[in-house]
Amino acid sequence: DAKTTQPNSMESNEEEPVHLPCNHSTISGTDYIHWYRQLPSQGPEYVIHGLTSNVNNRMASLAIAEDRKSSTLILHRATLRDAAVYYCILPPNTGGFKTIFGAGTRLFVKA
Amino acid sequence: GAVVSQHPSWVICKSGTSVKIECRSLDFQATTMFWYRQFPKQSLMLMATSNEGSKATYEQGVEKDKFLINHASLTLSTLTVTSAHPEDSSFYICSANGGRNQPQHFGDGTRLSIL
Repeated sequence: DAKTTQPNSMESNEEEPVHLPCNHSTISGTDYIHWYRQLPSQGPEYVIHGLTSNVNNRMASLAIAEDRKSSTLILHRATLRDAAVYYCILPPNTGGFKTIFGAGTRLFVKA
Repeated sequence: GAVVSQHPSWVICKSGTSVKIECRSLDFQATTMFWYRQFPKQSLMLMATSNEGSKATYEQGVEKDKFLINHASLTLSTLTVTSAHPEDSSFYICSANGGRNQPQHFGDGTRLSIL
């Protein structure tokens, strides 16, 4: 299955922007990049997804490299409530649409 | 937006008890749902894919007789942990989505503690 690579953890100050990177060099041409986050003791929450061009929604922005081998989730102003594990995910190579989670990036936000 | 409801939120029961967890898609039809298990400080591990009207597809290493999945309607999938033991204690999460490149929607999870 297409793999993603993310840093284990990152730290940010409150009210500052956060850029969470993800490498996915084996991505296929038609697969979307999805981002989810999981707050403590909760199920994962959808954040954003995109195919080629940059995407924005009320939660975040997604910047996708031109070659699509990497992407960056951007939180414009981190708050304490953004402290979570962030997962960058691709659909499986084998078809279907089950979601396989990697280790993700644990984001720490300092007040 | 789309919502997936999972019930119960937490369960504490004695060893040997069977526990049923429900997962409902509230405002969309889900022909496929997914069940995950998560241990403390670890990522989610996919257990099985629940298919409406047919047998579930289990991931390698997951005992199908231990974790019974029923997906009898387009809005409901259930996971039954049969004869649960302390090692089955975990956080169980369900999800559903509308297709390969569509976002998944997750339940809030069920924390299962077996004494």
